[in-house]
Amino acid sequence: QQQVKQSPQSLIVQKGGISIINCAYENTAFDYFPWYQQFPGKGPALLIAIRPDVSEKKEGRFTISFNKSAKQFSLHIMDSQPGDSATYFCAASKPGTASKLTFGTGTRLQVTL
Amino acid sequence: KAGVTQTPRYLIKTRGQQVTLSCSPISGHRSVSWYQQTPGQGLQFLFEYFSETQRNKGNFPGRFSGRQFSNSRSEMNVSTLELGDSALYLCASSLATVSAKTQYFGPGTRLLVL
Repeated sequence: QQQVKQSPQSLIVQKGGISIINCAYENTAFDYFPWYQQFPGKGPALLIAIRPDVSEKKEGRFTISFNKSAKQFSLHIMDSQPGDSATYFCAASKPGTASKLTFGTGTRLQVTL
Repeated sequence: KAGVTQTPRYLIKTRGQQVTLSCSPISGHRSVSWYQQTPGQGLQFLFEYFSETQRNKGNFPGRFSGRQFSNSRSEMNVSTLELGDSALYLCASSLATVSAKTQYFGPGTRLLVL
């Protein structure tokens, strides 16, 4: 049972555009929602994370929007750059098990010139 | 501060063999988690060790095991390797406190089972 569903599977955005990746979760016990960025040959790196008591969190060009009632959260990358081309994973964990992340299936983002 | 290191980076084994992978966490981190990454199944949690004790476990067969040493370094072992065990094995470390949940991943060990 896939507990975190991520879409789209792949995304092509022009330089300067907005990249939007969506995730939906099923388990209402989740209380921590990070986004990770992974480049080829590297391990995932934390981009930004949010807890369900906040509807939006922004760090630089990256914003998480969180909709608790819909059990959805999304990553927005503003002013997308070619260097943002990577695979992005949403994830979730339950209280007391922050190290046990349930990941989405990933979105391969390509930012074109 | 040095990041999470994993050794070896690449490994080729044959079916039926066993393999041991090593992970050194960021200094001061007491939690080490292991994940398997494959194109088909994505990133899946294997287990977490905290202060030398397995604290959480994923849905993997008993052929997958791990341990953590007093210096927080961790090893995972896969016995009786199967072709489907070919994957990137990632280790992540964390302070694992209420206010510091971030997991920092290593570059992974790519295992190929022939």
